Amino acid sequence: GQQVMQIPQYQHVQEGEDFTTYCNSSTTLSNIQWYKQRPGGHPVFLIQLVKSGEVKKQKRLTFQFGEAKKNSSLHITATQTTDVGTYFCAGPALGGGYALNFGKGTSLLVTP
Amino acid sequence: EPEVTQTPSHQVTQMGQEVILRCVPISNHLYFYWYRQILGQKVEFLVSFYNNEISEKSEIFDDQFSVERPDGSNFTLKIRSTKLEDSAMYFCASSTPEGLAGYFGSLEAYEQYFGPGTRLTVT
Repeated sequence: GQQVMQIPQYQHVQEGEDFTTYCNSSTTLSNIQWYKQRPGGHPVFLIQLVKSGEVKKQKRLTFQFGEAKKNSSLHITATQTTDVGTYFCAGPALGGGYALNFGKGTSLLVTP
Repeated sequence: EPEVTQTPSHQVTQMGQEVILRCVPISNHLYFYWYRQILGQKVEFLVSFYNNEISEKSEIFDDQFSVERPDGSNFTLKIRSTKLEDSAMYFCASSTPEGLAGYFGSLEAYEQYFGPGTRLTVT
């Protein structure tokens, strides 16, 4: 089935440093969503990307969708301790429906 | 802000027992989902439900599992004859506000709202 790979698995940064997580799919995705899960919490929707080459920004977060719609990235500028959590990318699970196929996530730890 | 609720927050059961996990999706949403997350691992899709029937299901969702919308608000996941490997956090999610159904084209999806989860421990 469709695989969504995400790297790195873990990232530990000092507050103020930048952070990037990468997501790669074995197949072309119609869309990709990003979720954040705080420790002990549940996934919370961040954004959806649909168009080839699309770039969206949310304050210090920049999301990109690759030209081939097989990869995506999330970049956080000047991390803060509130950015701590696991960031998941998710593509359509089985094709044609709304269920999500999550990547394994990147766990971000930010130390002050 | 509307939210998805789940009960119980933690369920402990013995192997072989049946459990029912309960969810109340956001009231005007049309799609409901169950996902599970084994400790430290990724979120895995189990099943989606729309218009009172299963819309999609994964390989994990075998005959051991069933879903039901017994009334206008609850959405349940039943696990028959639980196994040790069923221990996980089970998340319910909902999406697609009634007024926006069909709003997006075929490429877009709807953001999913997750509940706080039920931690299932099978001993």
